[in-house]
Amino acid sequence: AQSVAQPEDQVNVAEGNPLTVKCTYSVSGNPYLFWYVQYPNRGLQFLLKYITGDNLVKGSYGFEAEFNKSQTSFHLKKPSALVSDSALYFCAVRDYTDNAGNMLTFGGGTRLMVKP
Amino acid sequence: GAVVSQHPSWVICKSGTSVKIECRSLDFQATTMFWYRQFPKQSLMLMATSNEGSKATYEQGVEKDKFLINHASLTLSTLTVTSAHPEDSSFYICSAPPGLAGGNPWETQYFGPGTRLLVL
Repeated sequence: AQSVAQPEDQVNVAEGNPLTVKCTYSVSGNPYLFWYVQYPNRGLQFLLKYITGDNLVKGSYGFEAEFNKSQTSFHLKKPSALVSDSALYFCAVRDYTDNAGNMLTFGGGTRLMVKP
Repeated sequence: GAVVSQHPSWVICKSGTSVKIECRSLDFQATTMFWYRQFPKQSLMLMATSNEGSKATYEQGVEKDKFLINHASLTLSTLTVTSAHPEDSSFYICSAPPGLAGGNPWETQYFGPGTRLLVL
């Protein structure tokens, strides 16, 4: 079974400051890891993914995430937050050894609030 | 990038009626599509996997007679909420991985914009 935990329901940060949204995962094999962002009344937008290779992954809108296998984490980061980054962020995992349907499992979501 | 559309984006209906939601992959073929349900301030819960040419696979606890899924073609899957009740009110999102089963095409899913259902 695979699972994802986002320990913070909400993260507050001032505009211009660095931000981190935390994610830890559990899979039986090796993970595919994803971050998605959701704006109000909208579907999910893909931000970035880790499949293999460099542990630091760069994605859309200046976001990046670092895969840490020993800590089973995939925290989302941005050096300088913008008010427009305020949204709901979801971490997701897929165990690539899973042959049961290529299912994505989502974390509970973290609401990011960036204040001017 | 790949685009997935949903129709309608909003629907309000009376209790007891049935509502059909369409999910289309606009510029790629999808042998599989996924249907999710999202409650306010909560995460996405996978409801079912829609398979072109065969029956859908439902997650535990999801009533297959309540949520009918038909994968009519390689670009269209429909979710019908039958005899809708207020507790069915939710945000329904579909997604599709581009390409065929296996390997890299399964790395990323593309999500539709969602359909908000309100049952009065």
